[in-house]
Amino acid sequence: AQSVAQPEDQVNVAEGNPLTVKCTYSVSGNPYLFWYVQYPNRGLQFLLKYITGDNLVKGSYGFEAEFNKSQTSFHLKKPSALVSDSALYFCAVRPGGGGADGLTFGKGTHLIIQP
Amino acid sequence: DARVTQTPRDKVTEMGQEVTMRCQPILGHNTVFWYRQTMMQGLELLAYFRNRAPLDDSGMPKDRFSAEMPDATLATLKIQPSEPRDSAVYFCASGFGLAGVEEQFFGPGTRLTVL
Repeated sequence: AQSVAQPEDQVNVAEGNPLTVKCTYSVSGNPYLFWYVQYPNRGLQFLLKYITGDNLVKGSYGFEAEFNKSQTSFHLKKPSALVSDSALYFCAVRPGGGGADGLTFGKGTHLIIQP
Repeated sequence: DARVTQTPRDKVTEMGQEVTMRCQPILGHNTVFWYRQTMMQGLELLAYFRNRAPLDDSGMPKDRFSAEMPDATLATLKIQPSEPRDSAVYFCASGFGLAGVEEQFFGPGTRLTVL
Protein backbone atom coordinates (compact mmCIF):
# COMPACT_ATOMS: atom_id res chain seq x y z
CA ALA A 1 0.00 0.00 0.00
CA GLN A 2 1.17 3.52 -0.70
CA SER A 3 1.80 6.22 1.88
CA VAL A 4 2.75 9.88 2.07
CA ALA A 5 4.64 11.65 4.83
CA GLN A 6 4.58 15.38 5.39
CA PRO A 7 6.99 15.72 8.28
CA GLU A 8 6.05 19.26 9.26
CA ASP A 9 2.65 20.11 10.70
CA GLN A 10 3.38 23.80 10.20
CA VAL A 11 5.84 25.89 8.25
CA ASN A 12 6.35 29.58 8.98
CA VAL A 13 7.92 31.83 6.38
CA ALA A 14 8.31 35.58 6.12
CA GLU A 15 6.68 37.22 3.13
CA GLY A 16 9.08 37.51 0.23
CA ASN A 17 11.25 34.60 1.38
CA PRO A 18 11.43 31.28 -0.42
CA LEU A 19 9.30 28.48 0.95
CA THR A 20 9.54 24.71 0.95
CA VAL A 21 6.90 22.22 2.05
CA LYS A 22 8.31 18.73 2.33
CA CYS A 23 6.78 15.47 1.12
CA THR A 24 8.11 11.94 0.91
CA TYR A 25 6.22 8.97 -0.44
CA SER A 26 6.16 5.21 -0.64
CA VAL A 27 4.52 3.40 -3.55
CA SER A 28 5.00 0.32 -5.67
CA GLY A 29 6.40 1.12 -9.06
CA ASN A 30 6.48 4.58 -10.56
CA PRO A 31 4.50 7.22 -8.68
CA TYR A 32 2.00 9.77 -9.80
CA LEU A 33 2.42 12.68 -7.40
CA PHE A 34 0.16 15.64 -6.71
CA TRP A 35 -0.01 18.75 -4.58
CA TYR A 36 -3.30 20.28 -3.48
CA VAL A 37 -4.08 23.35 -1.40
CA GLN A 38 -7.03 23.86 0.93
CA TYR A 39 -8.26 27.22 2.15
CA PRO A 40 -10.49 27.43 5.25
CA ASN A 41 -13.94 25.91 4.74
CA ARG A 42 -13.18 25.07 1.13
CA GLY A 43 -12.50 21.97 -0.90
CA LEU A 44 -9.04 21.11 -2.15
CA GLN A 45 -7.62 22.83 -5.20
CA PHE A 46 -5.12 21.24 -7.55
CA LEU A 47 -1.69 22.90 -7.72
CA LEU A 48 0.52 20.61 -9.78
CA LYS A 49 1.36 17.03 -10.62
CA TYR A 50 4.23 14.82 -11.65
CA ILE A 51 3.47 11.93 -13.96
CA THR A 52 6.60 11.49 -16.02
CA GLY A 53 9.30 13.54 -17.72
CA ASP A 54 11.08 16.57 -16.32
CA ASN A 55 11.67 16.26 -12.59
CA LEU A 56 10.87 19.92 -12.02
CA VAL A 57 7.17 20.57 -12.33
CA LYS A 58 5.64 24.04 -12.46
CA GLY A 59 2.09 24.66 -11.29
CA SER A 60 -0.42 27.28 -10.31
CA TYR A 61 0.28 30.49 -8.40
CA GLY A 62 4.05 30.31 -8.95
CA PHE A 63 4.50 27.00 -7.16
CA GLU A 64 6.82 24.28 -8.35
CA ALA A 65 7.88 20.89 -7.09
CA GLU A 66 10.86 18.67 -7.70
CA PHE A 67 10.56 14.94 -8.04
CA ASN A 68 13.54 13.09 -6.59
CA LYS A 69 13.30 9.37 -7.19
CA SER A 70 16.33 8.37 -5.14
CA GLN A 71 15.05 10.24 -2.10
CA THR A 72 11.40 9.41 -2.83
CA SER A 73 10.55 13.05 -2.32
CA PHE A 74 8.34 15.64 -3.99
CA HIS A 75 8.90 18.90 -2.14
CA LEU A 76 6.78 21.93 -2.95
CA LYS A 77 8.61 25.21 -3.44
CA LYS A 78 8.04 28.84 -4.25
CA PRO A 79 10.77 31.45 -4.71
CA SER A 80 8.94 34.30 -2.99
CA ALA A 81 6.09 33.71 -0.55
CA LEU A 82 2.93 35.80 -0.41
CA VAL A 83 0.66 36.26 2.60
CA SER A 84 -2.14 34.85 0.42
CA ASP A 85 -0.22 31.56 0.16
CA SER A 86 -1.17 30.83 3.78
CA ALA A 87 -3.25 27.66 3.67
CA LEU A 88 -3.17 23.90 4.26
CA TYR A 89 -1.14 21.96 1.70
CA PHE A 90 -1.53 18.30 0.88
CA CYS A 91 0.80 15.99 -0.97
CA ALA A 92 -0.79 12.91 -2.56
CA VAL A 93 0.34 9.82 -4.43
CA ARG A 94 -1.07 6.96 -6.44
CA PRO A 95 0.74 4.15 -8.22
CA GLY A 96 1.34 4.80 -11.89
CA GLY A 97 0.60 2.56 -14.83
CA GLY A 98 -2.74 1.22 -13.76
CA GLY A 99 -4.27 0.08 -10.55
CA ALA A 100 -6.45 2.02 -8.18
CA ASP A 101 -6.96 5.67 -9.06
CA GLY A 102 -7.83 7.02 -5.67
CA LEU A 103 -5.21 9.23 -4.10
CA THR A 104 -3.46 8.65 -0.81
CA PHE A 105 -2.94 11.96 0.94
CA GLY A 106 -0.47 13.10 3.53
CA LYS A 107 -1.68 14.66 6.78
CA GLY A 108 -1.21 18.14 5.43
CA THR A 109 1.12 21.03 6.29
CA HIS A 110 -0.12 24.40 7.50
CA LEU A 111 1.81 27.09 5.69
CA ILE A 112 1.82 30.45 7.45
CA ILE A 113 3.29 33.45 5.67
CA GLN A 114 4.03 36.31 7.99
CA PRO A 115 3.88 39.90 6.68
CA ASP B 1 -16.87 28.18 -14.38
CA ALA B 2 -17.56 24.46 -13.95
CA ARG B 3 -17.59 23.24 -10.36
CA VAL B 4 -18.43 20.20 -8.33
CA THR B 5 -21.46 20.88 -6.17
CA GLN B 6 -22.38 19.13 -2.96
CA THR B 7 -25.53 19.20 -0.86
CA PRO B 8 -26.16 19.76 1.93
CA ARG B 9 -23.22 21.90 2.98
CA ASP B 10 -23.90 21.26 6.65
CA LYS B 11 -25.84 18.48 8.31
CA VAL B 12 -26.51 17.93 11.98
CA THR B 13 -28.30 14.74 12.90
CA GLU B 14 -28.80 12.39 15.77
CA MET B 15 -27.20 9.01 16.16
CA GLY B 16 -29.13 6.32 14.36
CA GLN B 17 -30.59 8.57 11.69
CA GLU B 18 -30.04 8.09 7.97
CA VAL B 19 -27.88 10.65 6.19
CA THR B 20 -27.71 11.15 2.43
CA MET B 21 -25.10 13.37 0.82
CA ARG B 22 -25.29 14.34 -2.83
CA CYS B 23 -22.72 15.36 -5.37
CA GLN B 24 -23.02 16.72 -8.87
CA PRO B 25 -19.74 16.17 -10.73
CA ILE B 26 -18.51 18.50 -13.42
CA LEU B 27 -20.32 17.82 -16.68
CA GLY B 28 -18.29 15.46 -18.84
CA HIS B 29 -16.16 14.08 -16.03
CA ASN B 30 -16.22 10.31 -15.93
CA THR B 31 -14.66 9.62 -12.52
CA VAL B 32 -16.16 10.48 -9.14
CA PHE B 33 -14.45 10.08 -5.77
CA TRP B 34 -15.72 10.29 -2.20
CA TYR B 35 -13.28 11.32 0.54
CA ARG B 36 -13.68 11.90 4.26
CA GLN B 37 -11.62 14.42 6.21
CA THR B 38 -11.16 14.33 9.98
CA MET B 39 -8.61 15.89 12.26
CA MET B 40 -7.37 12.50 13.41
CA GLN B 41 -7.25 10.58 10.13
CA GLY B 42 -6.81 13.36 7.62
CA LEU B 43 -8.18 12.71 4.13
CA GLU B 44 -9.29 9.16 3.41
CA LEU B 45 -10.62 7.73 0.18
CA LEU B 46 -13.98 6.05 0.73
CA ALA B 47 -15.02 5.00 -2.77
CA TYR B 48 -14.81 5.93 -6.41
CA PHE B 49 -16.65 5.37 -9.67
CA ARG B 50 -15.64 5.45 -13.30
CA ASN B 51 -18.33 5.77 -15.93
CA ARG B 52 -20.82 5.22 -13.08
CA ALA B 53 -19.39 1.81 -12.21
CA PRO B 54 -18.02 1.37 -8.69
CA LEU B 55 -14.31 0.52 -8.88
CA ASP B 56 -13.23 0.63 -5.27
CA ASP B 57 -15.17 1.01 -2.04
CA SER B 58 -12.66 -0.63 0.24
CA GLY B 59 -12.39 2.53 2.34
CA MET B 60 -16.02 2.45 3.38
CA PRO B 61 -17.50 0.70 6.41
CA LYS B 62 -19.69 -1.69 4.45
CA ASP B 63 -22.27 -2.30 7.10
CA ARG B 64 -23.48 1.30 7.24
CA PHE B 65 -22.14 3.19 4.22
CA SER B 66 -23.26 2.93 0.63
CA ALA B 67 -22.33 4.89 -2.47
CA GLU B 68 -24.18 5.00 -5.77
CA MET B 69 -24.32 6.86 -9.05
CA PRO B 70 -27.92 6.75 -10.25
CA ASP B 71 -26.89 8.74 -13.33
CA ALA B 72 -23.89 10.61 -14.70
CA THR B 73 -24.91 13.84 -13.00
CA LEU B 74 -25.49 12.53 -9.49
CA ALA B 75 -23.47 10.61 -6.95
CA THR B 76 -24.81 9.80 -3.49
CA LEU B 77 -23.22 8.70 -0.24
CA LYS B 78 -25.54 7.28 2.35
CA ILE B 79 -24.96 6.41 6.00
CA GLN B 80 -27.51 4.27 7.78
CA PRO B 81 -27.49 4.27 10.76
CA SER B 82 -25.21 7.19 11.50
CA GLU B 83 -22.88 7.21 14.50
CA PRO B 84 -20.98 10.02 16.26
CA ARG B 85 -17.68 8.70 14.85
CA ASP B 86 -19.01 9.47 11.35
CA SER B 87 -18.73 13.20 12.11
CA ALA B 88 -16.40 14.60 9.47
CA VAL B 89 -16.28 16.64 6.29
CA TYR B 90 -17.16 14.55 3.27
CA PHE B 91 -15.74 15.64 -0.06
CA CYS B 92 -16.75 14.62 -3.52
CA ALA B 93 -14.26 15.06 -6.36
CA SER B 94 -14.53 14.47 -10.08
CA GLY B 95 -12.07 14.09 -12.92
CA PHE B 96 -11.81 12.99 -16.51
CA GLY B 97 -9.43 10.36 -17.73
CA LEU B 98 -8.66 6.72 -18.10
CA ALA B 99 -5.19 6.37 -16.62
CA GLY B 100 -5.53 8.17 -13.34
CA VAL B 101 -3.27 11.04 -14.34
CA GLU B 102 -5.99 13.65 -14.24
CA GLU B 103 -6.30 16.15 -11.47
CA GLN B 104 -9.33 15.85 -9.27
CA PHE B 105 -11.72 18.75 -8.81
CA PHE B 106 -13.11 18.90 -5.31
CA GLY B 107 -16.48 20.10 -4.16
CA PRO B 108 -16.89 22.34 -1.10
CA GLY B 109 -17.71 19.40 1.15
CA THR B 110 -20.55 18.39 3.45
CA ARG B 111 -19.82 18.94 7.13
CA LEU B 112 -21.60 16.16 9.01
CA THR B 113 -22.15 16.27 12.75
CA VAL B 114 -23.73 13.24 14.40
CA LEU B 115 -24.86 13.87 17.98
